[in-house]
Amino acid sequence: DQQVKQNSPSLSVQEGRISILNCDYTNSMFDYFLWYKKYPAEGPTFLISISSIKDKNEDGRFTVFLNKSAKHLSLHIVPSQPGDSAVYFCAASVTDKLIFGTGTRLQVFP
Amino acid sequence: AAGVIQSPRHLIKEKRETATLKCYPIPRHDTVYWYQQGPGQDPQFLISFYEKMQSDKGSIPDRFSAQQFSDYHSELNMSSLELGDSALYFCASSLGAGNTEAFFGQGTRLTVV
Repeated sequence: DQQVKQNSPSLSVQEGRISILNCDYTNSMFDYFLWYKKYPAEGPTFLISISSIKDKNEDGRFTVFLNKSAKHLSLHIVPSQPGDSAVYFCAASVTDKLIFGTGTRLQVFP
Repeated sequence: AAGVIQSPRHLIKEKRETATLKCYPIPRHDTVYWYQQGPGQDPQFLISFYEKMQSDKGSIPDRFSAQQFSDYHSELNMSSLELGDSALYFCASSLGAGNTEAFFGQGTRLTVV
């Protein structure tokens, strides 16, 4: 049973435009959400997080939005750059573990 | 800045052998997490430790065991290896448990032949 879902396995965006990556979760006990970026054969790199008491967190080009009633979060990247091309995982935290989504492969083309 | 160090980076073992993966957390981090990522899959949580005590357990096979030592480094011991154990094994560390960012190491690629 996948508690954290990323329904879009891939996304292709033109450089300079906005990338929107979506994530849905089922467990209402999750209280902290994170986005990680991952290149092949490397460990996930932390990008941005949000607590369940907030609905938005912004860090430079990255903004995460949380809609608790819909159990949905999204990551916006504005403007998208070719170096953003990677697999993006959302993760949800409960107790002492992170539950990862299945990932979305983002490709930013010139 | 120091990051999470995992060793070895690559490991090849035969079926039924044992393997030990090591993880050295970021200095002062007291929580360690282990994840297994198979080809084309998301990282699956195996086990975590906080202050040298097991704090949570995921889909870790009984053939695997882990511990966190007094210096906060952790080792994942895998016995009776199977072909299906071939995967990337990631370790992450954080300061405290719960709502804190976890930082990942580069991973150990285990290949069982």
